Amino acid sequence: EAQVTQNPRYLITVTGKKLTVTCSQNMNHEYMSWYRQDPGLGLRQIYYSMNVEVTDKGDVPEGYKVSRKEKRNFPLILESPSPNQTSLYFCASSSTTGGNEQFFGPGTRLTVL
Amino acid sequence: SQQGEEDPQALSIQEGENATMNCSYKTSINNLQWYRQNSGRGLVHLILIRSNEREKHSGRLRVTLDTSKKSSSLLITASRAADTASYFCYNFGNEKLTFGTGTRLTIIP
Repeated sequence: EAQVTQNPRYLITVTGKKLTVTCSQNMNHEYMSWYRQDPGLGLRQIYYSMNVEVTDKGDVPEGYKVSRKEKRNFPLILESPSPNQTSLYFCASSSTTGGNEQFFGPGTRLTVL
Repeated sequence: SQQGEEDPQALSIQEGENATMNCSYKTSINNLQWYRQNSGRGLVHLILIRSNEREKHSGRLRVTLDTSKKSSSLLITASRAADTASYFCYNFGNEKLTFGTGTRLTIIP
Protein backbone atom coordinates (compact mmCIF):
# COMPACT_ATOMS: atom_id res chain seq x y z
CA GLU A 1 0.00 0.00 0.00
CA ALA A 2 1.36 3.40 -1.00
CA GLN A 3 1.79 5.45 2.13
CA VAL A 4 3.73 7.97 4.17
CA THR A 5 4.45 6.89 7.72
CA GLN A 6 5.48 9.03 10.66
CA ASN A 7 6.72 8.09 14.08
CA PRO A 8 5.92 8.71 16.79
CA ARG A 9 2.28 9.71 16.40
CA TYR A 10 2.19 11.38 19.79
CA LEU A 11 5.05 12.75 21.85
CA ILE A 12 5.25 14.72 25.08
CA THR A 13 8.70 15.99 25.94
CA VAL A 14 10.45 18.70 27.91
CA THR A 15 12.25 21.82 26.82
CA GLY A 16 15.74 21.20 25.52
CA LYS A 17 15.55 17.44 25.06
CA LYS A 18 16.57 16.59 21.51
CA LEU A 19 14.06 14.60 19.50
CA THR A 20 13.61 13.19 16.04
CA VAL A 21 10.38 12.58 14.17
CA THR A 22 10.82 10.04 11.41
CA CYS A 23 9.10 10.11 8.04
CA SER A 24 9.23 7.41 5.41
CA GLN A 25 7.50 6.95 2.06
CA ASN A 26 7.31 3.83 -0.12
CA MET A 27 6.36 5.50 -3.42
CA ASN A 28 9.87 6.38 -4.64
CA HIS A 29 8.94 10.06 -4.49
CA GLU A 30 11.63 12.67 -5.03
CA TYR A 31 9.93 15.53 -3.21
CA MET A 32 9.33 15.48 0.55
CA SER A 33 8.41 18.19 2.98
CA TRP A 34 7.49 18.92 6.57
CA TYR A 35 4.62 21.10 7.72
CA ARG A 36 3.38 22.26 11.06
CA GLN A 37 -0.25 23.04 11.70
CA ASP A 38 -1.39 25.45 14.37
CA PRO A 39 -4.89 26.75 15.10
CA GLY A 40 -5.68 29.83 13.05
CA LEU A 41 -2.40 29.64 11.11
CA GLY A 42 -3.09 26.77 8.76
CA LEU A 43 -0.26 24.59 7.51
CA ARG A 44 3.16 26.16 7.23
CA GLN A 45 6.08 24.54 5.51
CA ILE A 46 9.17 23.95 7.66
CA TYR A 47 11.64 22.32 5.25
CA TYR A 48 11.45 20.56 1.94
CA SER A 49 13.69 18.31 -0.12
CA MET A 50 13.69 17.92 -3.86
CA ASN A 51 15.92 14.85 -3.83
CA VAL A 52 18.57 13.00 -1.87
CA GLU A 53 21.05 15.39 -0.23
CA VAL A 54 19.02 18.41 -1.43
CA THR A 55 17.11 20.28 1.26
CA ASP A 56 15.89 23.85 1.63
CA LYS A 57 14.09 26.05 4.12
CA GLY A 58 10.39 26.61 4.02
CA ASP A 59 8.52 29.39 5.75
CA VAL A 60 9.25 28.49 9.37
CA PRO A 61 12.61 26.63 9.57
CA GLU A 62 13.93 28.14 12.80
CA GLY A 63 14.57 25.53 15.47
CA TYR A 64 14.40 22.58 13.08
CA LYS A 65 16.84 20.48 11.08
CA VAL A 66 16.31 17.87 8.43
CA SER A 67 18.38 15.42 6.46
CA ARG A 68 17.79 13.42 3.28
CA LYS A 69 20.37 10.67 3.10
CA GLU A 70 18.02 8.20 1.46
CA LYS A 71 15.20 8.82 -0.95
CA ARG A 72 12.53 7.24 1.25
CA ASN A 73 13.38 8.92 4.57
CA PHE A 74 13.16 12.53 5.66
CA PRO A 75 13.53 12.90 9.45
CA LEU A 76 12.72 16.12 11.28
CA ILE A 77 15.10 16.97 14.12
CA LEU A 78 14.47 19.34 16.98
CA GLU A 79 17.84 19.88 18.60
CA SER A 80 16.50 21.86 21.57
CA PRO A 81 12.70 21.88 21.55
CA SER A 82 10.84 24.80 23.05
CA PRO A 83 7.16 25.19 24.02
CA ASN A 84 6.44 27.25 20.89
CA GLN A 85 7.18 24.13 18.86
CA THR A 86 4.16 22.42 20.35
CA SER A 87 2.16 21.65 17.24
CA LEU A 88 0.78 19.04 14.87
CA TYR A 89 3.42 18.01 12.34
CA PHE A 90 2.86 16.47 8.93
CA CYS A 91 5.26 14.92 6.49
CA ALA A 92 4.31 14.83 2.82
CA SER A 93 5.76 13.50 -0.41
CA SER A 94 5.09 13.84 -4.11
CA SER A 95 6.58 12.54 -7.31
CA THR A 96 7.91 15.93 -8.42
CA THR A 97 8.73 19.27 -6.85
CA GLY A 98 5.25 19.83 -5.45
CA GLY A 99 3.25 20.48 -8.58
CA ASN A 100 1.59 17.11 -8.33
CA GLU A 101 -0.52 15.49 -5.67
CA GLN A 102 1.08 15.41 -2.26
CA PHE A 103 0.61 12.39 -0.04
CA PHE A 104 0.45 13.17 3.64
CA GLY A 105 1.42 11.14 6.67
CA PRO A 106 -0.99 10.71 9.58
CA GLY A 107 0.60 13.46 11.66
CA THR A 108 2.65 13.71 14.86
CA ARG A 109 1.20 15.61 17.76
CA LEU A 110 4.08 17.09 19.73
CA THR A 111 3.81 18.76 23.12
CA VAL A 112 6.86 20.49 24.58
CA LEU A 113 6.55 21.30 28.28
CA SER B 1 5.03 33.33 2.15
CA GLN B 2 2.58 33.12 -0.74
CA GLN B 3 -0.27 31.86 1.38
CA GLY B 4 -3.69 31.29 -0.09
CA GLU B 5 -6.78 32.76 1.46
CA GLU B 6 -9.83 30.59 1.74
CA ASP B 7 -13.27 32.05 2.12
CA PRO B 8 -15.39 31.58 4.12
CA GLN B 9 -13.40 30.45 7.13
CA ALA B 10 -16.34 28.38 8.32
CA LEU B 11 -19.50 27.13 6.66
CA SER B 12 -22.45 25.14 8.05
CA ILE B 13 -25.12 23.72 5.77
CA GLN B 14 -27.87 21.11 5.88
CA GLU B 15 -27.18 17.69 4.48
CA GLY B 16 -28.14 17.55 0.84
CA GLU B 17 -27.36 21.20 0.14
CA ASN B 18 -24.45 22.40 -1.96
CA ALA B 19 -21.35 23.91 -0.42
CA THR B 20 -19.13 26.46 -2.12
CA MET B 21 -15.79 27.68 -0.89
CA ASN B 22 -13.30 29.99 -2.49
CA CYS B 23 -9.57 30.44 -2.61
CA SER B 24 -7.53 33.41 -3.76
CA TYR B 25 -3.86 34.24 -4.14
CA LYS B 26 -1.88 37.41 -4.57
CA THR B 27 0.49 35.64 -6.97
CA SER B 28 -0.28 33.99 -10.28
CA ILE B 29 -1.93 30.59 -10.14
CA ASN B 30 -0.28 27.57 -11.70
CA ASN B 31 -1.38 24.07 -10.78
CA LEU B 32 -3.96 24.59 -8.07
CA GLN B 33 -4.95 21.73 -5.83
CA TRP B 34 -7.70 21.22 -3.28
CA TYR B 35 -7.26 19.03 -0.22
CA ARG B 36 -9.55 17.79 2.54
CA GLN B 37 -8.56 17.24 6.15
CA ASN B 38 -10.65 15.32 8.62
CA SER B 39 -10.11 16.44 12.17
CA GLY B 40 -6.48 15.99 13.23
CA ARG B 41 -5.60 13.77 10.28
CA GLY B 42 -3.37 14.18 7.27
CA LEU B 43 -4.59 16.02 4.21
CA VAL B 44 -6.07 14.06 1.35
CA HIS B 45 -5.81 15.25 -2.24
CA LEU B 46 -9.17 15.93 -3.89
CA ILE B 47 -8.53 17.48 -7.27
CA LEU B 48 -5.93 19.34 -9.31
CA ILE B 49 -6.77 22.00 -11.87
CA ARG B 50 -4.08 23.28 -14.21
CA SER B 51 -3.66 26.90 -15.21
CA ASN B 52 -4.96 26.24 -18.73
CA GLU B 53 -8.18 24.69 -17.41
CA ARG B 54 -11.25 26.64 -16.36
CA GLU B 55 -13.38 23.92 -14.84
CA LYS B 56 -12.96 20.36 -13.67
CA HIS B 57 -15.28 17.74 -12.22
CA SER B 58 -14.68 14.74 -10.02
CA GLY B 59 -17.76 12.96 -8.70
CA ARG B 60 -19.67 15.50 -6.59
CA LEU B 61 -16.82 18.00 -6.78
CA ARG B 62 -16.64 20.86 -9.23
CA VAL B 63 -13.65 23.18 -9.31
CA THR B 64 -13.37 26.38 -11.28
CA LEU B 65 -10.31 28.48 -11.90
CA ASP B 66 -10.10 32.13 -12.86
CA THR B 67 -6.47 32.98 -13.47
CA SER B 68 -7.23 36.64 -14.16
CA LYS B 69 -8.76 37.00 -10.69
CA LYS B 70 -6.19 34.61 -9.20
CA SER B 71 -8.97 32.62 -7.59
CA SER B 72 -10.57 29.22 -7.53
CA SER B 73 -13.77 27.81 -6.13
CA LEU B 74 -14.72 24.34 -4.94
CA LEU B 75 -18.33 23.24 -5.13
CA ILE B 76 -19.50 20.12 -3.31
CA THR B 77 -22.96 19.08 -4.48
CA ALA B 78 -25.52 17.07 -2.52
CA SER B 79 -23.47 17.27 0.66
CA ARG B 80 -23.23 14.36 3.09
CA ALA B 81 -22.30 14.14 6.75
CA ALA B 82 -18.99 12.57 5.71
CA ASP B 83 -18.07 15.81 3.91
CA THR B 84 -17.61 17.51 7.29
CA ALA B 85 -13.95 18.49 7.21
CA SER B 86 -11.56 21.36 6.54
CA TYR B 87 -10.74 22.17 2.94
CA PHE B 88 -7.51 23.74 1.77
CA CYS B 89 -6.24 25.06 -1.51
CA TYR B 90 -2.62 24.87 -2.59
CA ASN B 91 -1.05 26.79 -5.43
CA PHE B 92 2.22 25.54 -6.85
CA GLY B 93 4.31 28.45 -8.03
CA ASN B 94 7.52 27.70 -6.30
CA GLU B 95 8.54 25.09 -3.78
CA LYS B 96 7.95 27.38 -0.80
CA LEU B 97 4.28 28.03 -1.37
CA THR B 98 2.13 26.81 1.41
CA PHE B 99 -1.46 26.15 2.32
CA GLY B 100 -3.95 28.65 3.65
CA THR B 101 -5.91 28.42 6.87
CA GLY B 102 -8.71 26.52 5.18
CA THR B 103 -12.50 26.48 5.21
CA ARG B 104 -14.11 24.49 7.98
CA LEU B 105 -17.23 22.80 6.54
CA THR B 106 -19.88 21.33 8.83
CA ILE B 107 -22.74 19.30 7.39
CA ILE B 108 -25.79 19.23 9.63
CA PRO B 109 -27.74 15.93 9.40
